[in-house]
Amino acid sequence: EAQVTQNPRYLITVTGKKLTVTCSQNMNHEYMSWYRQDPGLGLRQIYYSMNVEVTDKGDVPEGYKVSRKEKRNFPLILESPSPNQTSLYFCASSLRDFLYNEQFFGPGTRLTVL
Amino acid sequence: KQEVTQIPAALSVPEGENLVLNCSFTDSAIYNLQWFRQDPGKGLTSLLLIQSSQREQTSGRLNASLDKSSGRSTLYIAASQPGDSATYLCAVSGLVFGKGTKLTVNP
Repeated sequence: EAQVTQNPRYLITVTGKKLTVTCSQNMNHEYMSWYRQDPGLGLRQIYYSMNVEVTDKGDVPEGYKVSRKEKRNFPLILESPSPNQTSLYFCASSLRDFLYNEQFFGPGTRLTVL
Repeated sequence: KQEVTQIPAALSVPEGENLVLNCSFTDSAIYNLQWFRQDPGKGLTSLLLIQSSQREQTSGRLNASLDKSSGRSTLYIAASQPGDSATYLCAVSGLVFGKGTKLTVNP
């Protein structure tokens, strides 16, 4: 089944404890991105990647890191999480760039930082 | 800066009714417009993608239209069912999302 998977689905952590949220897609998509969704603010892009080893900042990149060493994987790293990063996170992918192609989303990761 | 608005924020209808959801955007220079549904606690499921050069797309009971000149897209749902209850979001050029319309279809 063609899909985008994320792990973990739920995570509660404490301020300053480094964490990684994994994202993987099995559709051979070139483009991948991370979003956060907050009440009243909607979905905002954190980082995106046009292909392996090519990443760039979205609208809200502060406090996050990403890497794209393999085409299928695009992990999101929070090196020192803070409570304002409590949010619902989504990974998405599309065949090529998001300007012309349909985006497919993962199931989401609900992160709580205490 | 592109802004996307979805009004109303919530809509409740009886089962069987045909309905229209709205998505407005401020900059007509768009590449595409995509409609999603989001169930509580779940991810976004792609419903329809309309390219900039297209006027509409159809899938089953869903029909999405695009009018760039007026900065509007509509999602028409025919013969609504309780299973259609969800939040519907639109996204412009894959990047700017509306805040969604929460649809409740009552049996």
